[in-house]
Amino acid sequence: QQQVKQSPQSLIVQKGGISIINCAYENTAFDYFPWYQQFPGKGPALLIAIRPDVSEKKEGRFTISFNKSAKQFSLHIMDSQPGDSATYFCAANKNSGGSNYKLTFGKGTLLTVNP
Amino acid sequence: GAVVSQHPSRVICKSGTSVKIECRSLDFQATTMFWYRQFPKQSLMLMATSNEGSKATYEQGVEKDKFLINHASLTLSTLTVTSAHPEDSSFYICSARGSSLDTQYFGPGTRLTVL
Repeated sequence: QQQVKQSPQSLIVQKGGISIINCAYENTAFDYFPWYQQFPGKGPALLIAIRPDVSEKKEGRFTISFNKSAKQFSLHIMDSQPGDSATYFCAANKNSGGSNYKLTFGKGTLLTVNP
Repeated sequence: GAVVSQHPSRVICKSGTSVKIECRSLDFQATTMFWYRQFPKQSLMLMATSNEGSKATYEQGVEKDKFLINHASLTLSTLTVTSAHPEDSSFYICSARGSSLDTQYFGPGTRLTVL
């Protein structure tokens, strides 16, 4: 059972455009939602994260929108640049109750930003 | 902050040999470390979780006798692939979490090729 569903699988955006990646989760016990960026041959790097008591978080060109009632969250990349071309993973974990803090990952979105 | 290193970055070995991969948290104490395996164009697959000084907890289907994990200190975990075979060739990534951190921080990964 996939607990975090991510879409689209791949995305092509023109330079300067907005990239939007969506995720939906099932487990209401999740209380922390990070996004990771991974370049080929590298480990994932934490990009931005949000808690469910906040509906939006912005860091530079990256924004997470969170809809608790719909159990959905999304990553928006404003003014997308060719250097943003990477695979993006949404994830969710439970930071309490002895969960051992395992991350549940989406399947990833390959973003290509054309110059 | 929250930097995780891995060594080696690449290793090529002959079938039947054992390979050790090190994962270190450089600027925090990692109370929990995780080992993942990633196949091309796929998401991360959790292999095992380890807490410092305790035996690792392996995910279903992961052979604990083949993938030996040691988390002897708060800054070091090792993964040993014993009697490696070509099907063990993959990208292995570790991550670490400290008690004051909300989520996992990943190492740069190790590309294992078994000939």
